[in-house]
Amino acid sequence: SQQGEEDPQALSIQEGENATMNCSYKTSINNLQWYRQNSGRGLVHLILIRSNEREKHSGRLRVTLDTSKKSSSLLITASRAADTASYFCATDYGDYKLSFGAGTTVTVRA
Amino acid sequence: DAGITQSPRHKVTETGTPVTLRCHQTENHRYMYWYRQDPGHGLRLIHYSYGVKDTDKGEVSDGYSVSRSKTEDFLLTLESATSSQTSVYFCAISESIGSTEAFFGQGTRLTVV
Repeated sequence: SQQGEEDPQALSIQEGENATMNCSYKTSINNLQWYRQNSGRGLVHLILIRSNEREKHSGRLRVTLDTSKKSSSLLITASRAADTASYFCATDYGDYKLSFGAGTTVTVRA
Repeated sequence: DAGITQSPRHKVTETGTPVTLRCHQTENHRYMYWYRQDPGHGLRLIHYSYGVKDTDKGEVSDGYSVSRSKTEDFLLTLESATSSQTSVYFCAISESIGSTEAFFGQGTRLTVV
């Protein structure tokens, strides 16, 4: 089973609103990454946060990591139609594998 | 864009036939991965490689085998295709696990009839 689990499974927001999705994982990690997938395409890397970091920003993206709760959140501010996609967290447990969750599907309405 | 290509992009095959999917990279990255993506399951790791001739199983490896005879190529073989292997298959590469991003191919849509 997937090591990371995203929540919610689906999210629908109005353009300009913020979108927040969460990722929970089971055991200690080295790093956690977030990826985006547009329909029918491969995944694209968004941001990586290391286990000793608590928050990271990249443009309109903000990622937090709480290792005590084994969870991470991805915030997309001022959403645009182009943000419509599925978002996945990926966890690295230091064993060569990158494990993905089932993803959150975000729909941004115009 | 990272130099990673998958072939074929689409394939329809019959149950019981062997199928090989190819992943080719021009980045000289050490790590290569095969995932399958199914609705409601996200991406599940099939097999991965951490060097030439060094491979290991992922969480859904039954019915699949892999080979990596050179850095740039990672082959996924379905020994005897079944309908449950109908899926979209993604290859990914990474320079080093966890500390750098993984790059994904465009995917191969495989249908087993």
